[in-house]
Amino acid sequence: ETGVTQTPRHLVMGMTNKKSLKCEQHLGHNAMYWYKQSAKKPLELMFVYSLEERVENNSVPSRFSPECPNSSHLFLHLHTLQPEDSALYLCASSQSRGLAYEQYFGPGTRLTVT
Amino acid sequence: DQQVKQNSPSLSVQEGRISILNCDYTNSMFDYFLWYKKYPAEGPTFLISISSIKDKNEDGRFTVFLNKSAKHLSLHIVPSQPGDSAVYFCAATTGTYKYIFGTGTRLKVLA
Repeated sequence: ETGVTQTPRHLVMGMTNKKSLKCEQHLGHNAMYWYKQSAKKPLELMFVYSLEERVENNSVPSRFSPECPNSSHLFLHLHTLQPEDSALYLCASSQSRGLAYEQYFGPGTRLTVT
Repeated sequence: DQQVKQNSPSLSVQEGRISILNCDYTNSMFDYFLWYKKYPAEGPTFLISISSIKDKNEDGRFTVFLNKSAKHLSLHIVPSQPGDSAVYFCAATTGTYKYIFGTGTRLKVLA
């Protein structure tokens, strides 16, 4: 595997379900990000982890819970979601500050909440 | 309030001609700007970037221009190719981990 991978690619869940999104980066980066992309809206930054420590939390509802066990893996745990949470969830990685600013994105998980 | 704006949701250009995609921003503290390209069912891929200390950066067919006084940047693609058809996002950062993205411009290059 190369780059940034995300699983699953598609997920349909009910409002009472609990599920997790997984992201893995194979680029040797040490910062990882979760973004949400809703229709006709810009990408919204949700969480940032640098060196496995959360450094940014963009006022995201507590029904979204991130986890970064190591610099290569990032999870987004979902529970009691709402239909308006249906969106494309993108994971990205980058090097730490001062080295490079480019982010590398995974293909995304298309989430539908019913 | 949207700090990064792409006011043209779509653009059509003939193959071989120049494509110009525009982006405006409001925060004068942004110090780095990036352009990403996104194909359907894929994540955005990094295209080109520019630091606020420069006014132009070139990479092959792609050139980004930055006008700090107007808080405006543009991406020029010359010559445009059908494979360039995608959604293009501009993004800006103040050097923290926070990136602000525009809503994207869908480019269609006609053969």
